[in-house]
Amino acid sequence: QSVLTQPPSASGTPGQRVTMSCSGSSSNIGSFAVNWYQQLPGTAPKLLIYIDNRRPSGVPDRFSGSKSGTSASLAISGLQSEDEADYYCAAWDDSLHTWVFGGGTKLTVL
Amino acid sequence: QVQLQESGSGLVKPSQTLSLTCDVSGGSISSGGHSWSWIRQPPGKGLEWIGHIDHSGSTDYNPSLKSRVTLSVDKSKNQFSVTLTFVTAADTAVYYCAREVILTATQGWFGPWGRGTLVTVSS
Repeated sequence: QSVLTQPPSASGTPGQRVTMSCSGSSSNIGSFAVNWYQQLPGTAPKLLIYIDNRRPSGVPDRFSGSKSGTSASLAISGLQSEDEADYYCAAWDDSLHTWVFGGGTKLTVL
Repeated sequence: QVQLQESGSGLVKPSQTLSLTCDVSGGSISSGGHSWSWIRQPPGKGLEWIGHIDHSGSTDYNPSLKSRVTLSVDKSKNQFSVTLTFVTAADTAVYYCAREVILTATQGWFGPWGRGTLVTVSS
């Protein structure tokens, strides 16, 4: 069981907007920045969103992050086939004294 | 641009020790504001943080692995390493090294990541 809770799957058609959630607690998301990582099939994870809602250079503005209380969300607008990947949220947990990840959401582009 | 590359044994026998090294290029492992992490991913499963080390050798470990894991850093070679003792089949995973950027006490992230190396525990 992951400390951060993500839905196992999400789907959408090209051009649609999809969102995925990440639920935690006061010891992680409620107190620390949330980051999102995209893992394309067969590759290493890549930083997608950092500090809740900031995009690294090179990440399209179709990707956006938000946080409220102990939950965070990732939104992808104008869905494209190349967005098909696993998406993981992560945050530091001050009670466990460790980085914690969500179980990942597998995004399918129909 | 910082790049990371994992290396080490891809096959380890049960009860033996797993050892991996991460070579850092394009930047100094001693640069401030960074720690250096190991993260693993069992086949078909999610990500698990193993631990991190900074350039001074200060470490934090995942409590679930703390009794078996040791991280070390070699500044002269610009690399850091992980050893995991008494491995079992449950330790079979792709092992990633990653730079951990520390902006403030509550803001940090992983990036970049190495490409990962598969370690299989089997007799």
